Amino acid sequence: DTAVSQTPKYLVTQMGNDKSIKCEQNLGHDTMYWYKQDSKKFLKIMFSYNNKELIINETVPNRFSPKSPDKAHLNLHINSLELGDSAVYFCASTPDAGAPYEQYFGPGTRLTVT
Amino acid sequence: AQSVTQLGSHVSVSEGALVLLRCNYSSSVPPYLFWYVQYPNQGLQLLLKYTSAATLVKGINGFEAEFKKSETSFHLTKPSAHMSDAAEYFCAVSEATYKYIFGTGTRLKVLA
Repeated sequence: DTAVSQTPKYLVTQMGNDKSIKCEQNLGHDTMYWYKQDSKKFLKIMFSYNNKELIINETVPNRFSPKSPDKAHLNLHINSLELGDSAVYFCASTPDAGAPYEQYFGPGTRLTVT
Repeated sequence: AQSVTQLGSHVSVSEGALVLLRCNYSSSVPPYLFWYVQYPNQGLQLLLKYTSAATLVKGINGFEAEFKKSETSFHLTKPSAHMSDAAEYFCAVSEATYKYIFGTGTRLKVLA
């Protein structure tokens, strides 16, 4: 009964390719996030969606495009991959948009761009 | 603007010794504060959170943290380290809906 799941777990691809990462939560949460964790473990928020609406869009290149088909899913599509995109990408969710609740994280997707 | 500083990117303790991981925050309003743990190749999981109900917060696995407004600190402690505590620990702050700021993490190493 995985709460927040991500696919794939590992993704190895070449520069210039386009790839997608999928995230699903079965917790009934309203808000979902994408984070990027670099090689030094620094965790930075990229996007946040509340009930399928984009509410946070940090300074992320427009090659990154999130999509939320419903409030249980938040996917991340990346165009024209670059070496600097290599990182671990985490999806997370929170139960309600009204207060800073704890976040529930997925297991991560390790993206390696060669 | 809110921010989080974790002093010490690496901390080593002997098994059975006290664990102290430091976190200082900056916030213009009373913050919500969190500690998360990340085991190798896993996502983050919540250890404990401060939401103004009590300044001493107890979490899972024997960890606790004390909110000290005068020192703008929220240090994480555990009286006796166990080998299984070896992991990366993150402090996080939130003062607004949706927005969470994470510290740079502290890697805890437990020596036998």
